[in-house]
This record gives sequence, structure tokens and C-alpha cells, in this order.
Amino acid sequence: NAGVMQNPRHLVRRRGQEARLRCSPMKGHSHVYWYRQLPEEGLKFMVYLQKENIIDESGMPKERFSAEFPKEGPSILRIQQVVRGDSAAYFCASSADLYYAGELFFGEGSRLTVL
Amino acid sequence: QQQVKQSPQSLIVQKGGISIINCAYENTAFDYFPWYQQFPGKGPALLIAIRPDVSEKKEGRFTISFNKSAKQFSLHIMDSQPGDSATYFCAARSTDSWGKLQFGAGTQVVVTP
Repeated sequence: NAGVMQNPRHLVRRRGQEARLRCSPMKGHSHVYWYRQLPEEGLKFMVYLQKENIIDESGMPKERFSAEFPKEGPSILRIQQVVRGDSAAYFCASSADLYYAGELFFGEGSRLTVL
Repeated sequence: QQQVKQSPQSLIVQKGGISIINCAYENTAFDYFPWYQQFPGKGPALLIAIRPDVSEKKEGRFTISFNKSAKQFSLHIMDSQPGDSATYFCAARSTDSWGKLQFGAGTQVVVTP
């Protein structure tokens, strides 16, 4: 499958636990973006990363959230000490380069439920 | 605040009819306007996109109309089919923030047989 791969597809956590969401971009893509979708809402930008670099994290909450895209392996979105308000679908997308950043290819999302 | 305003929130259209979704923006730095289609439980998929130097773009049954002076753009789905039932999002990208798309709130389209 050459598409954007996200896992897990569904994740249930209790308040205070940690959530780790993984994303492997499309083959040949080195730009990764994370978006969050709350129920009945559009997608909100969180962070844009290239390999080993965070380029734009203007949409990331200041606390508890972090993202990385290491030289080897998938991009990781990490949410520490989850709260109920973190329940959402988290989508990863990738693009071939920055110029085509509007032509994003999205994964099927990771749906986080916080109990 | 919502940088891209999308309407209507939902739309019901009969098979064969035309679905029209409108979006408006204020930021004159936006230079690229894609539309995404999302089915339940799936990720958004790029449907069609336009740049502000073009007033209209057509791909099959999908047409984007763009009015730069009014800062508005719209998606027309001609000859709507039940398989078009999905949520549609307009979006915009700024020249000073190429890595970020601003999405509208979405329009749920239901095409009845």
C-alpha cells in the first residue's frame, strides 16, 4: 500500500494516560502534517514536519502535545496526560514537497477516545 | 477564528441535481484553494483545486468558481449521484505559511435516489 499509513486506527485511553499516534508518509514524501478533527468540525492544523525538523508547530497546544519525524521510522504525535477534550480524529498527511503542500494525501486517521 | 467560512452546513439534493457549496475568506495572502471530499470513517481526499489567477476550473462533474475580488469560491457538483454523498471541505493556503491549510467547517451532502 503506497498511501499514508496511520496506526492505530482506534485508540482508547483513560484520563492521564499517554497516547502515541504513528504515521508513515507516502513513499517518496518527506513532508508530514498533522491535523485534528473534532466531531462535526473541520480539520485544524497542528504541526508540519520534515525529517528531523519541526517546521511549523503553530497549531500545537503548548502543553502535553509533541511531534517528531525521525530520520528513520514514522512520524509520531504524542499526547501526554490525555484529557476528555483530546478525544478526536487525528489525521496525518504528506506531500512531495512544500510547493505541493496544498495537495495533501491524508491517511485514514487515528480516532482517540479518552474515557 | 475561522479563516475560511463555508456554507451551507448540510445539503440534500436529488439525484441528477446540482450541489453548490460556497466558501469565503479574508486573507489576501491565500494563493491556493483546494476542495477535499471525506467519506465517513475515512481521511479527506483531494477533489479539485484552483489558484487565484483562474476564475473557473472543471474536472468531470466538479467545477470550482473563483471570484478574487469578492474573496469567494464555490464548488458545483453537476448531475449529483448517491455516491457523491460525503462531507466536502474547502481549504486555503497562505503564501506566508505554505505548510498549513486552513479548512472550512465542512458541508455534509446527501444525494437522494
